[in-house]
Amino acid sequence: AQSVTQPDIHITVSEGASLELRCNYSYGATPYLFWYVQSPGQGLQLLLKYFSGDTLVQGIKGFEAEFKRSQSSFNLRKPSVHWSDAAEYFCAVATGGGNKLTFGTGTQLKVEL
Amino acid sequence: DAEITQSPRHKITETGRQVTLACHQTWNHNNMFWYRQDLGHGLRLIHYSYGVQDTNKGEVSDGYSVSRSNTEDLPLTLESAASSQTSVYFCASSESGLGVFEQYFGPGTRLTVT
Repeated sequence: AQSVTQPDIHITVSEGASLELRCNYSYGATPYLFWYVQSPGQGLQLLLKYFSGDTLVQGIKGFEAEFKRSQSSFNLRKPSVHWSDAAEYFCAVATGGGNKLTFGTGTQLKVEL
Repeated sequence: DAEITQSPRHKITETGRQVTLACHQTWNHNNMFWYRQDLGHGLRLIHYSYGVQDTNKGEVSDGYSVSRSNTEDLPLTLESAASSQTSVYFCASSESGLGVFEQYFGPGTRLTVT
């Protein structure tokens, strides 16, 4: 069965600093990978997704993620964090059929001004 | 604009009562999903449906049921609410067909069972 690990429960960065959120997955076949963001009291919004092709994918709000098959990782990055990026971030993997998602436990991002 | 809505947004109920949470989407998506979100667990799949009259159990389905009588709605019923079902519940929908599609999420329902 597939699984997703987000090793960092909480991360604090200063505004303007770079950000990297870690995500490791376990899945036997080619993974379909997602990053979602959840602002307080809101639903989840898709940041970006990887299905195939270029291993560096660009998303909304200036985020990008790199798929590394050898490391089973799909880390999320942003070169310069804004205070509005404070939220919870979830990595997820989908099976090849049915679109069912398996989520990681999430990383809570705090941005210091 | 197409959207996915959930009601109520907040609900307090007593142990043993039956509770139904509504989910309505105007995307015309065949696939619909229910998740619960708990601290330290992320989101876990409760039930899902690939179309009218189709329902399937997810990872944490015990104590929950769903029915799909039309494309737009997938209500989630807690047959006899328990304190362990206090959680935030999210509904989602996605396109269907060959390949994998992103899921669109509703705003969530916060349920407290006392």
